[in-house]
Amino acid sequence: QKEVEQDPGPLSVPEGAIVSLNCTYSNSAFQYFMWYRQYSRKGPELLMYTYSSGNKEDGRFTAQVDKSSKYISLFIRDSQPSDSATYLCAMSRNSGYSTLTFGKGTMLLVSP
Amino acid sequence: GAGVSQSPRYKVAKRGQDVALRCDPISGHVSLFWYQQALGQGPEFLTYFQNEAQLDKSGLPSDRFFAERPEGSVSTLKIQRTQQEDSAVYLCASSLDGRNYGYTFGSGTRLTVV
Repeated sequence: QKEVEQDPGPLSVPEGAIVSLNCTYSNSAFQYFMWYRQYSRKGPELLMYTYSSGNKEDGRFTAQVDKSSKYISLFIRDSQPSDSATYLCAMSRNSGYSTLTFGKGTMLLVSP
Repeated sequence: GAGVSQSPRYKVAKRGQDVALRCDPISGHVSLFWYQQALGQGPEFLTYFQNEAQLDKSGLPSDRFFAERPEGSVSTLKIQRTQQEDSAVYLCASSLDGRNYGYTFGSGTRLTVV
């Protein structure tokens, strides 16, 4: 079993829909949780960064962390075709130097 | 530069050939990371540099993989005697101080071993 599990999709939604993406993990040492967006043939870019449990909102994006369930989510409101990409969750043990452990990514397709 | 630059963008190598992949990090970024992303998978850690010092190479899959950053800026990932299982995108990321929210990734080098 991998440390971080993420459904690869694809997830297809119409424009304007609310999108829910999630990851589960097994290592309770993870304290920092990130969501990256990766367009085709590009490197990942950081979308959201959270520490421990709780919610964080940034524009149309909301990240949730539930450490008791080892479950993290990313919600995208009013989805746009430009949101079509692969979304990767990533986690680390501390904020300083620490390797990131990624999920395999969920491909999201938003149709106009 | 404005971002992390990797070259070449694409590389096709015959099995058994040696390859060298280059990463130009953001100027002034102390930390540099290499990750390997196989098709349909998330990136997996290979190695980490702080300035010219290679502090962690625990993710390198075999002794055919070698990375260096001799002057603390440009880094090269070398793969000797390439095998088909080495086919992947190799991503470089740099960070001002190593903090995990400050990574900037390059677009990667797509290596195909035939």
